[in-house]
This record gives sequence, structure tokens and C-alpha cells, in this order.
Amino acid sequence: ELKVEQNPLFLSMQEGKNYTIYCNYSTTSDRLYWYRQDPGKSLESLFVLLSNGAVKQEGRLMASLDTKARLSTLHITAAVHDLSATYFCAVDGETSGSRLTFGEGTQLTVNP
Amino acid sequence: GAGVSQTPSNKVTEKGKYVELRCDPISGHTALYWYRQSLGQGPEFLIYFQGTGAADDSGLPNDRFFAVRPEGSVSTLKIQRTERGDSAVYLCASSPTRGTEAFFGQGTRLTVV
Repeated sequence: ELKVEQNPLFLSMQEGKNYTIYCNYSTTSDRLYWYRQDPGKSLESLFVLLSNGAVKQEGRLMASLDTKARLSTLHITAAVHDLSATYFCAVDGETSGSRLTFGEGTQLTVNP
Repeated sequence: GAGVSQTPSNKVTEKGKYVELRCDPISGHTALYWYRQSLGQGPEFLIYFQGTGAADDSGLPNDRFFAVRPEGSVSTLKIQRTERGDSAVYLCASSPTRGTEAFFGQGTRLTVV
């Protein structure tokens, strides 16, 4: 059974600071996704990582994938209040077909 | 429409009643997924359709849950004899085909009282 673990689960940080969210998964994977969810809203796709060593950046967020370590990171640079949300990683395992297995989510609060 | 549309956005029902949740995927997307998200948790897979057929229904928790997609577009998730534990947000997603990026709808918040 594919397991996906995120840490930390809760993150409170000051504006302007940097931090990294980690996503570990338990089996080989074709694809890894990062999603953002605002309270009461649906999931917004942030990044799709398809191969070992993949790195993608959008604004203050950068995601990377190490398939050998079964690890993805979401790095936040110079955080701003608008980044406050819950961030999920999700894995599409090789043997799981097209079903995504999600982590528990990291609830990020950026304080002014 | 431009995105995945789910109706209703909120549904309150009494324990033991039957409910139907509707999902209208992005036009042309052949793959459709249902997930369930409980408060403070990540979404959990329920069922996946490729076209009209359920390619993977291994996530349905029990036989009270059933989903259809008769014409390969709109899908309906049906829950019989609802229980309080069924209360959650039910999310629908679609993708152009299997294994491509999935886009999520706004969800239906189901509350069983």
C-alpha cells in the first residue's frame, strides 16, 4: 500500500522567511503533484513533477523531486501572507493506476 | 464550462436517507475521479472512471456507495442509507486521460444529521 507522509503538518512562519515542506512516499512513483487548498475551497494544482531531479518554480514556491530517495520538497522563499493555505503532495504510484494518494497536508500560516 | 462543476455545493440530509452528488467534468476529459475529504485530512480515493466504465472502484468504502457515468461525461455518486460517518467533502476531478494532471471541482459538502 502506497503511503505518503508530509512534514511538518503545521507551519507558522514570519513574512520574509524561508522554509521547506517535505513529502516522503513509500513506493516507486510515476508522478508527484503539489496542490494548494484554501479554507473551504477546492484543490489548486501547483506543480507536476515527472522525473528524477525535476525542479519547478513559480513565484516564491519551488518544488523538486528525488525519486531514488522517494522525496519531494516544496521550498518557500521570502514568504508572504498570501501563501497561507494548506499544501498537499499527492503521488500517482506505478501500481495504483491513476489514483492519487495524498499526504495529510501541511497547514501553513504566514504571519505579518 | 471552463472547470469541473459539482452540484450541490452543500447537502444536508438525515441519517438513513439516499443522496446523489453530481459531477460535470471538463469537456473532453475522459478520466473522472471521486475523492472524499474529511476535516483536516487529505483527499481519499473512491472511484475512477475511464470513459463510461469504472476502471477502479477499490476505494468505495462499502456497498452503500455507488457511482455511474452512463455517457462518459457527467457522473453521479450515489450513497444509500447515509450514516453520520459519511459526512465529508466529496471532490470530483477530471483529466484528459489516464495518468495526466487532474483538475478538481469545488466539492460537495455532505452533512448527515
